[in-house]
Amino acid sequence: DTAVSQTPKYLVTQMGNDKSIKCEQNLGHDTMYWYKQDSKKFLKIMFSYNNKELIINETVPNRFSPKSPDKAHLNLHINSLELGDSAVYFCASSQDGGSTEAFFGQGTRLTVV
Amino acid sequence: ILNVEQSPQSLHVQEGDSTNFTCSFPSSNFYALHWYRWETAKSPEALFVMTLNGDEKKKGRISATLNTKEGYSYLYIKGSQPEDSATYLCASSGSARQLTFGSGTQLTVLP
Repeated sequence: DTAVSQTPKYLVTQMGNDKSIKCEQNLGHDTMYWYKQDSKKFLKIMFSYNNKELIINETVPNRFSPKSPDKAHLNLHINSLELGDSAVYFCASSQDGGSTEAFFGQGTRLTVV
Repeated sequence: ILNVEQSPQSLHVQEGDSTNFTCSFPSSNFYALHWYRWETAKSPEALFVMTLNGDEKKKGRISATLNTKEGYSYLYIKGSQPEDSATYLCASSGSARQLTFGSGTQLTVLP
């Protein structure tokens, strides 16, 4: 059983398009995250969300928005895609947002052409 | 957003050597310190989570310590093996409960 699953694994799209990446966790965790892996393999926090609060990294463009239909899902919507959005995006979840380990999805490689 | 720093950036050791890496983090509003192991083409996997000053954790040949007062943690690998080759990530969370990662230490163990 996959604990944290992301779809799709690969996404190639044109500039200007709107796309979504889905994330689901079956661990019953309260907190979910989205990270962007930059060219130097650095994991940069984009959002953290639990059933009470959304915390946004202020450096994330507002073209990016998280959507959580329920506690087990945190999808990432990206509007008006730009070349610089090309990266690997990781979803993760943890029980209480810090004191327990985070579990990561397999990553989604987004390529904007 | 916390500033988490790791050193060295990369490291090559011979099989059988012991090694250690450093993670520094802001000591104010500290909540927890995490270590992850990240192999190429895989997802990061948790090694340790520590919350108390003086915490020491061990898993096989790998151990970690935590000093919350001065804001640093060490990860030790005893008798490195080629399968230990990976990027080791440190992450800290503060009062916002948001995990902020360092840039990692890339370890290569040469046979």
